[in-house]
Amino acid sequence: DAMVIQNPRYQVTQFGKPVTLSCSQTLNHNVMYWYQQKSSQAPKLLFHYYDKDFNNEADTPDNFQSRRPNTSFCFLDIRSPGLGDAAMYLCATSQSRVDEQYFGPGTRLTVT
Amino acid sequence: QKEVEQDPGPLSVPEGAIVSLNCTYSNSAFQYFMWYRQYSRKGPELLMYTYSSGNKEDGRFTAQVDKSSKYISLFIRDSQPSDSATYLCAMSARGNTPLVFGKGTRLSVIA
Repeated sequence: DAMVIQNPRYQVTQFGKPVTLSCSQTLNHNVMYWYQQKSSQAPKLLFHYYDKDFNNEADTPDNFQSRRPNTSFCFLDIRSPGLGDAAMYLCATSQSRVDEQYFGPGTRLTVT
Repeated sequence: QKEVEQDPGPLSVPEGAIVSLNCTYSNSAFQYFMWYRQYSRKGPELLMYTYSSGNKEDGRFTAQVDKSSKYISLFIRDSQPSDSATYLCAMSARGNTPLVFGKGTRLSVIA
């Protein structure tokens, strides 16, 4: 089945220790998104790639970076995680920016 | 005023009830409307996708869009305990604009 895969599902990191979350897709979609979701809140868009074109949301902290080396993979790098960065990180894909988005299962990040 | 408003609930109903979930929005440019279901500690799963106004039915689920009132609804017929989840509405406008999500409504269907 075509799908969106995120690894790891659970990640524990120390305050200030860089961490990378990964996402891969077999849907061959053009657009890949990273969202942050905290408990009982809506997913908050951090950035997205349309093909290789990177689009950062205005309020995404500089601490968050992303890479998309090819169509299938996208990475979220958190350079110096703070306690406030503990959240579920969701990757999603869509064929275009207005098409429905398909989400992965998420990576739950804990910062100690 | 937030772009998308959604009552967070929780909403608790008995098994077999008809459930109505709603969102209102302020941006008249929104044309694409989606409903996602999110189980605890899982990613959102797309349930319904509609374009512009009208109704769409899929099994026990019906999505309605009323653009004149800036109001969308999701109806669940014959609700089951397995429908217990958080339901998120999401919408976007034409062009290079990403989805805007509601905060989600937490639904519990009691057997």
